[in-house]
Amino acid sequence: QVQLKETGPGLVQPTQTLSITCTVSGFSLTSYYMQWVRQTPGKGLEWMGFIRSGGSTEYNSEFKSRLSISRDTSKNQVFLKMNSLKTEDTGVYYCARNYFDYWGQGVMVTVSS
Amino acid sequence: DVVMTQTPVSLSVAIGQPASISCKSSQSLVGTSGKTYLNWLLQRPGQSPKRLIYLVSKLDSGIPDRFSGSGSETDFTLKISRVEADDLGVYYCLQGTHFPHTFGAGTKLELK
Repeated sequence: QVQLKETGPGLVQPTQTLSITCTVSGFSLTSYYMQWVRQTPGKGLEWMGFIRSGGSTEYNSEFKSRLSISRDTSKNQVFLKMNSLKTEDTGVYYCARNYFDYWGQGVMVTVSS
Repeated sequence: DVVMTQTPVSLSVAIGQPASISCKSSQSLVGTSGKTYLNWLLQRPGQSPKRLIYLVSKLDSGIPDRFSGSGSETDFTLKISRVEADDLGVYYCLQGTHFPHTFGAGTKLELK
């Protein structure tokens, strides 16, 4: 069955880079878009961006040049990297498939020194 | 960005009674394909969001037909014909027509 699972560092210091991996099973990354969404106390649910089945990406301009989404299809993994972290980036980060039909459990990220 | 305005913010409903949530967008959600990418999600306490409805009115697999979605252009509604205990949580509308995709602020459904 379709499964998605995010893994990440938990705690990141301000100004540092966040790296989260979404590992999927039950489907192929070459057939589906993969989305990234976060949920923060300040802004609620925010769409961050996606990587298409063909590998091209689309980002929310809110995150300007801080965000990068990539993947390794051989490992069934999608990656989120975001630099210059601020305390306001504290929240739960989710990967979701396609038009949000399946979601991972989320990973809590705290930005603090 | 498209602003998604949900009302009410919270809703207290007795088991077996109906519930209705409104979502209004700041611009039409009809895409160039003619499709309207409006979704409804439910986030139960301590869980990740789960999609209930896509393309305004299509129920996801396994979602009971007590749920229904309707609307067009900028005005959308989620209805629950008879609320059950498992329906409690926060409901969100999400538009996927325009970039960036945007969410409503949520409607918390509680038991009366």
